[in-house]
Amino acid sequence: QKEVEQDPGPLSVPEGAIVSLNCTYSNSAFQYFMWYRQYSRKGPELLMYTYSSGNKEDGRFTAQVDKSSKYISLFIRDSQPSDSATYLCASTGGSNYKLTFGKGTLLTVNP
Amino acid sequence: GAGVSQTPSNKVTEKGKYVELRCDPISGHTALYWYRQSLGQGPEFLIYFQGTGAADDSGLPNDRFFAVRPEGSVSTLKIQRTERGDSAVYLCASSQQGDTGELFFGEGSRLTVL
Repeated sequence: QKEVEQDPGPLSVPEGAIVSLNCTYSNSAFQYFMWYRQYSRKGPELLMYTYSSGNKEDGRFTAQVDKSSKYISLFIRDSQPSDSATYLCASTGGSNYKLTFGKGTLLTVNP
Repeated sequence: GAGVSQTPSNKVTEKGKYVELRCDPISGHTALYWYRQSLGQGPEFLIYFQGTGAADDSGLPNDRFFAVRPEGSVSTLKIQRTERGDSAVYLCASSQQGDTGELFFGEGSRLTVL
């Protein structure tokens, strides 16, 4: 079992929909949780960063972490075609550099 | 440019050949990382440099893989006796500090071993 599990999708939604992306993790030492967005043939870019449990909101994006169930979520409100990309969840313990990524979920937002 | 620069963007080689991949980090970033992303997978950690030294090389898969950063800026990932299983996108990232802060990724070097 991989330390971070993520359904690769693909996920296709109409413009304006609310998107829910999820990951589970198994390593209890993980304390930092991130969501990266990766466009085709590009490098990942950081979207959201959360420490421990709780919610964090940034514009149309909300990240949630539930450490009791080892569950990580990203919600995208009012999704736009420009949100079409692969979304990667990532976790790490004490240091930021050794990230453990999920497989990524391919999202397509249709106009 | 202001971002992490990686060359070549694409490399096709034959099994058994030697390959070098270059990374030019964001100016002023002391920490540099190499990750590998196979098709349909998330990136996997290979090695982390703080300055000129490799602070953590625990992700390198075997001794065919080696990386250097002699002057604390540009880094080169070297792969000897390439195998078909080495085919992947090799991503470089940099950050201002090693154990905190955001990682900024380059666009990657796509390696294909025939």
